[in-house]
Amino acid sequence: AQTVTQSQPEMSVQEAETVTLSCTYDTSESDYYLFWYKQPPSRQMILVIRQEAYKQQNATENRFSVNFQKAAKSFSLKISDSQLGDAAMYFCAYRSVDFGNEKLTFGTGTRLTIIP
Amino acid sequence: DAMVIQNPRYQVTQFGKPVTLSCSQTLNHNVMYWYQQKSSQAPKLLFHYYDKDFNNEADTPDNFQSRRPNTSFCFLDIRSPGLGDAAMYLCATSRGRRDYTDTQYFGPGTRLTVL
Repeated sequence: AQTVTQSQPEMSVQEAETVTLSCTYDTSESDYYLFWYKQPPSRQMILVIRQEAYKQQNATENRFSVNFQKAAKSFSLKISDSQLGDAAMYFCAYRSVDFGNEKLTFGTGTRLTIIP
Repeated sequence: DAMVIQNPRYQVTQFGKPVTLSCSQTLNHNVMYWYQQKSSQAPKLLFHYYDKDFNNEADTPDNFQSRRPNTSFCFLDIRSPGLGDAAMYLCATSRGRRDYTDTQYFGPGTRLTVL
């Protein structure tokens, strides 16, 4: 079974600064998908960024980028130019490539606070 | 706008009194999921439907059941809620494609309180 670990329960960053959220995972699979989801207070979870394991190039979506280190099983999220709207719980998630096993395995989340 | 809707947003029930949570989607997605998210914990998949095919997670208690009468709706039934079932219940949908672009779209959740 796969596991996802987020070792930072809470993080804070000054507005306009950069912050990195950590995520490690454990799996015996060689190919898989990784995701970062954002859950703002009292709002639904939305996808921030995704990465396919066989692609070595790190994914980027505007101010959000990842540092994917497959050998180390590490998948960190970098948020540049932090904005007040980035305040949320961030979940790292793993998904198998196996058809019929599309469930997301989540980490316990990191609560990000943006300091004005 | 296409979306995932969950009703009610807040549900209070009594210990042992059956309760049903509802999820509907206008995305016409093939797959619907139910996750349980307890306070300060990671969301955990209870089961999912691929079209009409029901897939139960091995460790989902028998107390939890689900129904999907049509593509748009999926229900979570908790037959005899215990205090440990108090949680946020998240519904999600996806197209069911075999690639990483197959994003799961989440509803806002139903927060269940058991008295």
